[in-house]
Amino acid sequence: AQSVSQHNHHVILSEAASLELGCNYSYGGTVNLFWYVQYPGQHLQLLLKYFSGDPLVKGIKGFEAEFIKSKFSFNLRKPSVQWSDTAEYFCAVMARGSTLGRLYFGRGTQLTVWP
Amino acid sequence: DSGVTQTPKHLITATGQRVTLRCSPRSGDLSVYWYQQSLDQGLQFLIQYYNGEERAKGNILERFSAQQFPDLHSELNLSSLELGDSALYFCASSATGTSGEQFFGPGTRLTVL
Repeated sequence: AQSVSQHNHHVILSEAASLELGCNYSYGGTVNLFWYVQYPGQHLQLLLKYFSGDPLVKGIKGFEAEFIKSKFSFNLRKPSVQWSDTAEYFCAVMARGSTLGRLYFGRGTQLTVWP
Repeated sequence: DSGVTQTPKHLITATGQRVTLRCSPRSGDLSVYWYQQSLDQGLQFLIQYYNGEERAKGNILERFSAQQFPDLHSELNLSSLELGDSALYFCASSATGTSGEQFFGPGTRLTVL
């Protein structure tokens, strides 16, 4: 079975600080990778996704992530966070080419940005 | 707005009761997924339907069941409710039901008293 680990449960930063959230997965095959964000009281929204090609993917709101296959990692980064980035961030994995489309989620990282 | 709708937004009920949660996928999406989000377990996959047929089951209790109707909306039925069933239940949809992007609804917050 697949599993996803997010290393940080809660990250607290000041505005303009740089952000990196760790995500590692375990799965022997090829995967599609996702980062979702959940703002307070809202539904999950897709930040970015990696299916194939350039391992450095850019998403919305200035976020990017790098897929490092050898490390089974897909870390999320943002050079300068804003107060409005306060939210919970979820890394998710899906087996590519599977007949099933289920997502395996990490436990999430709560990001708090102080103005 | 993802285009996925869920009703109701909030549901408060008592132990032992039965409730039905409803989900309408994005227009054209054939696959519907149900997820449960709780403090204990995080986000857990429950069940997937594709074009009316059950495709995959995850950590879904026997007290829970789901179906997808010909118009592609889906319902999740939770019965003999327990305190531990209190959670946020999300529905997601995707076009193909395989390895594509999933779009999430706003969720139904279930509180069992």
